[in-house]
Amino acid sequence: GGIITQTPKFLIGQEGQKLTLKCQQNFNHDTMYWYRQDSGKGLRLIYYSITENDLQKGDLSEGYDASREKKSSFSLTVTSAQKNEMAVFLCASSTGTGDYAEQFFGPGTRLTVL
Amino acid sequence: GEQVEQRPPHLSVREGDSAVITCTYTDPNSYYFFWYKQEPGASLQLLMKVFSSTEINEGQGFTVLLNKKDKRLSLNLTAAHPGDSAAYFCAVSAHYGNEKITFGAGTKLTIKP
Repeated sequence: GGIITQTPKFLIGQEGQKLTLKCQQNFNHDTMYWYRQDSGKGLRLIYYSITENDLQKGDLSEGYDASREKKSSFSLTVTSAQKNEMAVFLCASSTGTGDYAEQFFGPGTRLTVL
Repeated sequence: GEQVEQRPPHLSVREGDSAVITCTYTDPNSYYFFWYKQEPGASLQLLMKVFSSTEINEGQGFTVLLNKKDKRLSLNLTAAHPGDSAAYFCAVSAHYGNEKITFGAGTKLTIKP
């Protein structure tokens, strides 16, 4: 088994501020993901990474940067926080291939923009 | 790209009743299908998975059915109990380069006593 940790659990920022969310996994998974979940809604993919130093844009990448510093960690930066992007940000990881393609999710970071 | 439509967005049933959530997808190359459960305030947990080659899976009081001809995936709950109250999300992945999974918008299931 393994675990995905996300820090911080709650993030409060000012409008226009640059904010960074962090994710660590010890599954030794190759692929990691960042999703945004707005209240009562589904998941929208922001970025994903299939290996260390790789970066792939999702459907919602504008306004965000990401960095896969090493295999176990994947960080997301909100470049200029806006009030309409208050949401829960979920990190996930998977082996990325075949029968084990399911994703395992972290507990989330709840972003509030003042 | 893949489009996944999930219905209904909200579903309320009485304890002991059955419930069905359905997803339709567009990519005929879709091969891996997942259902996730998200309890209030919690993250997503994998509930069940089914592959294009198997088409059916059962467990934990749920049955997952895949109709490849209609490109339809369903989650069937045979006898609801209060612990089933949660949001449920389908997710679909292609057979090739399947790092990217497309999620449905979710169904909020409420079980009434």
